[in-house]
Amino acid sequence: EPEVTQTPSHQVTQMGQEVILRCVPISNHLYFYWYRQILGQKVEFLVSFYNNEISEKSEIFDDQFSVERPDGSNFTLKIRSTKLEDSAMYFCASSIGTASNQPQHFGDGTRLSIL
Amino acid sequence: DAKTTQPNSMESNEEEPVHLPCNHSTISGTDYIHWYRQLPSQGPEYVIHGLTSNVNNRMASLAIAEDRKSSTLILHRATLRDAAVYYCILTFYNQGGKLIFGQGTELSVKP
Repeated sequence: EPEVTQTPSHQVTQMGQEVILRCVPISNHLYFYWYRQILGQKVEFLVSFYNNEISEKSEIFDDQFSVERPDGSNFTLKIRSTKLEDSAMYFCASSIGTASNQPQHFGDGTRLSIL
Repeated sequence: DAKTTQPNSMESNEEEPVHLPCNHSTISGTDYIHWYRQLPSQGPEYVIHGLTSNVNNRMASLAIAEDRKSSTLILHRATLRDAAVYYCILTFYNQGGKLIFGQGTELSVKP
């Protein structure tokens, strides 16, 4: 069964450094998402992306964050200047459509640790 | 946004059926009911979804109350690998696809 893959599985970065998290969505999916989960807390929506544009973003997704689909297969999340509170699991997801009856398929996440 | 309420935790014995309840009394007519689960150290995984009628797939069944104010996810024979946090999530036709996760129900399965 096709799956969403994320790399790296664990990223350790010094505070203030830039980090890029990578995702390869399922190939025929058109809608892409990033979520994060701080340890012990709920999964939180960050951003949705379609047709090379951000469709929606949450309050968490401030100017430090950006997303890109650089080459038609990868979908990346960049954090420009990391803070300690950015430490979390980051999950990428994709779906065929955004209709409310379309399931999302998630990757296994990247654990981001900010030192 | 319509909200869902789930018990914080439930226990089950292996090979027995499990009924995971969800209340969504403020659901509106076009809201779908989705269930996802998150196994330890993994990303959320889609389980099942429905609108009004009961639904079955290879993973589970979804029973939706006639007034749609509650639903139940049914695992017909729990295995140890079903131990996870189960999330009941409503999706709205104009919400652009984002999923709003609550705390979910942590299911433990005893051998």
